[in-house]
Amino acid sequence: GENVEQHPSTLSVQEGDSAVIKCTYSDSASNYFPWYKQELGKGPQLIIDIRSNVGEKKDQRIAVTLNKTAKHFSLHITETQPEDSAVYFCAASSRGSTLGRLYFGRGTQLTVWP
Amino acid sequence: EADIYQTPRYLVIGTGKKITLECSQTMGHDKMYWYQQDPGMELHLIHYSYGVNSTEKGDLSSESTVSRIRTEHFPLTLESARPSHTSQYLCASTGQGREKLFFGSGTQLSVL
Repeated sequence: GENVEQHPSTLSVQEGDSAVIKCTYSDSASNYFPWYKQELGKGPQLIIDIRSNVGEKKDQRIAVTLNKTAKHFSLHITETQPEDSAVYFCAASSRGSTLGRLYFGRGTQLTVWP
Repeated sequence: EADIYQTPRYLVIGTGKKITLECSQTMGHDKMYWYQQDPGMELHLIHYSYGVNSTEKGDLSSESTVSRIRTEHFPLTLESARPSHTSQYLCASTGQGREKLFFGSGTQLSVL
């Protein structure tokens, strides 16, 4: 099955700085890469996703990049704010998978200091 | 906004008790999942269902069982709870041909 590695496990930044979280995947058939944000006491929520036919996608302060050759993708958050503090999960899935399921990274605890 | 609900939000019980964690969604999604989240944040898939009367075990061995008698309802049952079952349990769902997972807010289970 797919194996998704996520780094770092913890990340602390000053408000206004940028934050980058990186993930690698093992299955070259994977073609969908979402990012989820989990705030304290809540379930994860999708914040952005990218498909394998696209190299980069932006949504305001959030961007995701994908390098299919190297099998890695990254989440970039610019102008961080305290409300960005949360756990972030990357994931990968393949339409060819019989399960059609997501494989998650282990999560990154992001803390933004005011 | 996701329409997927989990009850209870918090549960503290004694060892040996039978419990059922409830999960319901009003989106008509055919696929539903249960994840166990450990204190280190990692999500472990323990059960999934692709539709009514379809249930499968996930990657992480679990002593829990699930049922899917109705599309909208996917309860998880522990016949005899143990302290090792203490964890956060997250339910999720997605629709046919779609990949976006909607998560509930979770049930934090503590077994004493």
